[in-house]
Amino acid sequence: QKEVEQDPGPLSVPEGAIVSLNCTYSNSAFQYFMWYRQYSRKGPELLMYTYSSGNKEDGRFTAQVDKSSKYISLFIRDSQPSDSATYLCAMRGSGNTGKLIFGQGTTLQVKP
Amino acid sequence: DVKVTQSSRYLVKRTGEKVFLECVQDMDHENMFWYRQDPGLGLRLIYFSYDVKMKEKGDIPEGYSVSREKKERFSLILESASTNQTSMYLCASLPSGTGRGYEQYFGPGTRLTVT
Repeated sequence: QKEVEQDPGPLSVPEGAIVSLNCTYSNSAFQYFMWYRQYSRKGPELLMYTYSSGNKEDGRFTAQVDKSSKYISLFIRDSQPSDSATYLCAMRGSGNTGKLIFGQGTTLQVKP
Repeated sequence: DVKVTQSSRYLVKRTGEKVFLECVQDMDHENMFWYRQDPGLGLRLIYFSYDVKMKEKGDIPEGYSVSREKKERFSLILESASTNQTSMYLCASLPSGTGRGYEQYFGPGTRLTVT
C-alpha cells in the first residue's frame, strides 16, 4: 500500500464548476500537507500548504485536512481553463530533512 | 525569485551510456533533491543532499548516483543507462528553516529517453 493515494483521473469539468481533488494517506506522523500544481512541460509549483488539521483559503482555492480520517482535499471554485494542470498532493512529517511524499497526481481539464 | 535550472530539457541516450543530469539553484539553499516522475506513479525521490558533499538515498536509488561538490549544484548520474530509466527527471531545492511548510522549488525537468 502506498503511503499517499491519489486518483490520477483524468478529471474533465466545464468552466465555472467546483472541483474537488482528494488524497488519502496512511502515515499518522505527517504534519505538513501541500498541494502542488504542475502545468504541462513545467516543474511543480507550490499552490497551498496546511499545517496539521483545518481549512485554508486562498482566493478560489480551499485546502482541507482531516487528520482523523487521514484525508486531504483541494477545492477549486469557479474553475477556469487556466486551472487545467496536474495537481499533486504532498506531505511530510516534522523531521528536518525536507523529504516530501507525493501522491500520483490528478490531471484536471477545465473546458471553456 | 528562486531559480532552479536543469542542464537539458530533452535528452536521448543509448543503453549502457553514462548520463549526467545537472541542476543549479541560485538561492543558496542547503537542501537539494532529485526525483523521477512517471505516469501513474507520481514523483519518486531518488537522492537528496542537505549539504555540500552530503547525500542520502531516497526511495529508488538503484542505478543512480549523485554528486554535490558545490552548494548550488547537484548532479544526478546514471552509471549505465537502461531503458527503464526513461522518465522525466525533476530537481528541487529547499531552504533550511520553516519557510512555507518547507516549500520545495522545482526545476523545469529533463525528459530523458534511453533507447
